[in-house]
Amino acid sequence: DGGITQSPKYLFRKEGQNVTLSCEQNLNHDAMYWYRQDPGQGLRLIYYSQIVNDFQKGDIAEGYSVSREKKESFPLTVTSAQKNPTAFYLCASSMGSVYTEAFFGQGTRLTVV
Amino acid sequence: DAKTTQPNSMESNEEEPVHLPCNHSTISGTDYIHWYRQLPSQGPEYVIHGLTSNVNNRMASLAIAEDRKSSTLILHRATLRDAAVYYCILSTSYDKVIFGPGTSLSVIP
Repeated sequence: DGGITQSPKYLFRKEGQNVTLSCEQNLNHDAMYWYRQDPGQGLRLIYYSQIVNDFQKGDIAEGYSVSREKKESFPLTVTSAQKNPTAFYLCASSMGSVYTEAFFGQGTRLTVV
Repeated sequence: DAKTTQPNSMESNEEEPVHLPCNHSTISGTDYIHWYRQLPSQGPEYVIHGLTSNVNNRMASLAIAEDRKSSTLILHRATLRDAAVYYCILSTSYDKVIFGPGTSLSVIP
């Protein structure tokens, strides 16, 4: 079955450590996105990538980094520079830059203690 | 970027129709109107989208005002599984999408 997979579902890290969240899709989508969601809030865009080896900052990119070495994969690293990293992180993909239907992963809930 | 306004919460009785409103008075001519829904601790799920004409699919119907400044998502018979947060968003591309807090729909058995 085609889809988008995020792992792990839950992640705990100590303050000051970098952590990488995985996102893989087998939908052959060109565009991929990372969003952050805080309790009771909507989604905010962190980074997005429209093609391999290219990505752009979203609205809240500070303290995060990404890579897009393969079409299928778009990992997100939450660095120690991110002041409030505890949140629900969602990865999505779509056919291209023009909006069609976006497919979301099940999310990773990151807790920093 | 165009923004939308939705009620914070709504209630519906099971098996009754639900009309979820969305205002988007600053919509541009190229903005599509999309609806997604999100169950607790899950990623959003696509529901429907449209540009100018009303749209129907197996999940819902989308009614778009003639001036495109508002739209309504219609669930024809609410079930308990329809309880979720519903997002109305506008964009021509996902890098410009604004997901606001949405409408939290409760379905009463």
